[in-house]
Amino acid sequence: GAGVSQSPSNKVTEKGKDVELRCDPISGHTALYWYRQRLGQGLEFLIYFQGNSAPDKSGLPSDRFSAERTGESVSTLTIQRTQQEDSAVYLCASSLALGVAGRKLFFGSGTQLSVL
Amino acid sequence: GENVEQHPSTLSVQEGDSAVIKCTYSDSASNYFPWYKQELGKGPQLIIDIRSNVGEKKDQRIAVTLNKTAKHFSLHITETQPEDSAVYFCAAGGGFKTIFGAGTRLFVKA
Repeated sequence: GAGVSQSPSNKVTEKGKDVELRCDPISGHTALYWYRQRLGQGLEFLIYFQGNSAPDKSGLPSDRFSAERTGESVSTLTIQRTQQEDSAVYLCASSLALGVAGRKLFFGSGTQLSVL
Repeated sequence: GENVEQHPSTLSVQEGDSAVIKCTYSDSASNYFPWYKQELGKGPQLIIDIRSNVGEKKDQRIAVTLNKTAKHFSLHITETQPEDSAVYFCAAGGGFKTIFGAGTRLFVKA
């Protein structure tokens, strides 16, 4: 596609339920990132993929959070047993990951997660 | 790890005036400093970036400066227009990890 696509755009769930967020990166982009943005705040790094491996998982807030990526395409971020503090916009970005030009991140519009 | 501080958190200027946003970073290994603009309901979009071997870069009304010794970098927007109103994020990166500041909400009053 022309840009990074995220689905769903909005998700409302009940506390304790599991949710799965999806990201389709730009074709050919080998690097993929997940960030969390709480209301009125900055972008909090969650996890980074190079291909389908995740060399840096340091930002995942707890073991309720996990992510996977199939090849160099779709990634899913799963949050188990959701809590109200998980409410935020979850942003996905992709990049070429080749030299300096690869540092430019292309973001999707995000998934707004609301945990009631 | 890297920590990026950004200020001010909110900035209001009159149309036509200049706006300056400042950031500091902690990791001397960071060598890439992008700036992103986020409009309501959208993901951030890169507007300009600078590498550590350059002190200043300009693109039309936008300029960035970098002081590696002091670990400071700044965004300057001249002749501001209402459409410049948005949230602006600075970031610092080394390798493939990019750490963002908390953001500056810019209001340009017509």
